[in-house]
Amino acid sequence: KAGVTQTPRYLIKTRGQQVTLSCSPISGHRSVSWYQQTPGQGLQFLFEYFSETQRNKGNFPGRFSGRQFSNSRSEMNVSTLELGDSALYLCASNDGGSYGYTFGSGTRLTVV
Amino acid sequence: EDQVTQSPEALRLQEGESSSLNCSYTVSGLRGLFWYRQDPGKGPEFLFTLYSAGEEKEKERLKATLTKKESFLHITAPKPEDSATYLCAVLRTDKLIFGTGTRLQVFP
Repeated sequence: KAGVTQTPRYLIKTRGQQVTLSCSPISGHRSVSWYQQTPGQGLQFLFEYFSETQRNKGNFPGRFSGRQFSNSRSEMNVSTLELGDSALYLCASNDGGSYGYTFGSGTRLTVV
Repeated sequence: EDQVTQSPEALRLQEGESSSLNCSYTVSGLRGLFWYRQDPGKGPEFLFTLYSAGEEKEKERLKATLTKKESFLHITAPKPEDSATYLCAVLRTDKLIFGTGTRLQVFP
């Protein structure tokens, strides 16, 4: 059974640009959550999608947005990048029943 | 306010020296407590889920326990390959609230 796939693995962007990250969940999982991990703040919840609907949102500015497609794949977008957005962005998928959250390897975003 | 606190922040052990990691939480409406292991540059790897006070789960050298206020991750006779950051998270309304982790180093 394939795990959670995140692409790309690494990304370097310039301040002011925008970026789109992708997450393919485990087959059959309909819930996808996104987290930001930084050395100072640890893992912080961004948002969660279930069956193409955003069910929950963390305390991040509106520059952070996401969506989920009918095949459960999810994308996260960050507009007008700031230096502080440099982080490891992690995606987790869940089957909605056993509460087991499986994480991908993450996308390392560096803003210069 | 929901809060998850892990201690110690860092732990250095000799191979074979058993110890425990602590995760204390103040969360209303707890739906589960998770333990993850994270290696540098990788995503968290699921270890255990605990749902109610008194519950215990084991996997190889690891044993997780849960009370109403905290959870412990006991590591028995650790090996160098157990070196990693161990993360605790509580599940509340479909989001995981993470602690900042315990960085474990096991020396041969």
